Amino acid sequence: AQSVSQHNHHVILSEAASLELGCNYSYGGTVNLFWYVQYPGQHLQLLLKYFSGDPLVKGIKGFEAEFIKSKFSFNLRKPSVQWSDTAEYFCAVLSGGYNKLIFGAGTRLAVHP
Amino acid sequence: EAGVAQSPRYKIIEKRQSVAFWCNPISGHATLYWYQQILGQGPKLLIQFQNNGVVDDSQLPKDRFSAERLKGVDSTLKIQPAKLEDSAVYLCASSLDHQGIAGYNEQFFGPGTRLTVL
Repeated sequence: AQSVSQHNHHVILSEAASLELGCNYSYGGTVNLFWYVQYPGQHLQLLLKYFSGDPLVKGIKGFEAEFIKSKFSFNLRKPSVQWSDTAEYFCAVLSGGYNKLIFGAGTRLAVHP
Repeated sequence: EAGVAQSPRYKIIEKRQSVAFWCNPISGHATLYWYQQILGQGPKLLIQFQNNGVVDDSQLPKDRFSAERLKGVDSTLKIQPAKLEDSAVYLCASSLDHQGIAGYNEQFFGPGTRLTVL
């Protein structure tokens, strides 16, 4: 069965610092990968997704993620974080033929001004 | 466009009691999902409906959990009887269809119902 690992459970950064959140998946075939974000008090929303093509995917709010097939990774990056990026970030993989998402455990990011 | 609506937002019950959650998906969305998110974990799919039929309920604990979507629109998820380990946030999501371009349709999530079982 497919699985997703997020190794950083809590990350604390100062504003303007660079961000990289790790995500590794288990499946060796074709994968469709996602990053979701949940801001405090808000619902889960899609940040970016990868299906095929350019392995560097750009999402909303200046986030990007790089798909590295050889490393089974899909890390999320942002060159300069803001206080408003404080949230929980979830990596997910599409599993099977019925739009089923498998989520990682999430990473809580706290950005201090 | 209105989002996915869920109620109640919070519920506290004692173990062995029953509880029900309600979800109204985005208008026109054929597929509805219920997820369980335990503290410190990511959301886990419990059940997926396509219109009023079940597509996937492989991770639904059927001895105590049930869900229905009778008219293919809103849905209820019930737990009877509840256990301590059922304490979690229950998320509802919807998508246009269960398949689309590259086999994917974006899922839109509701605010969730936080259940505490004492």
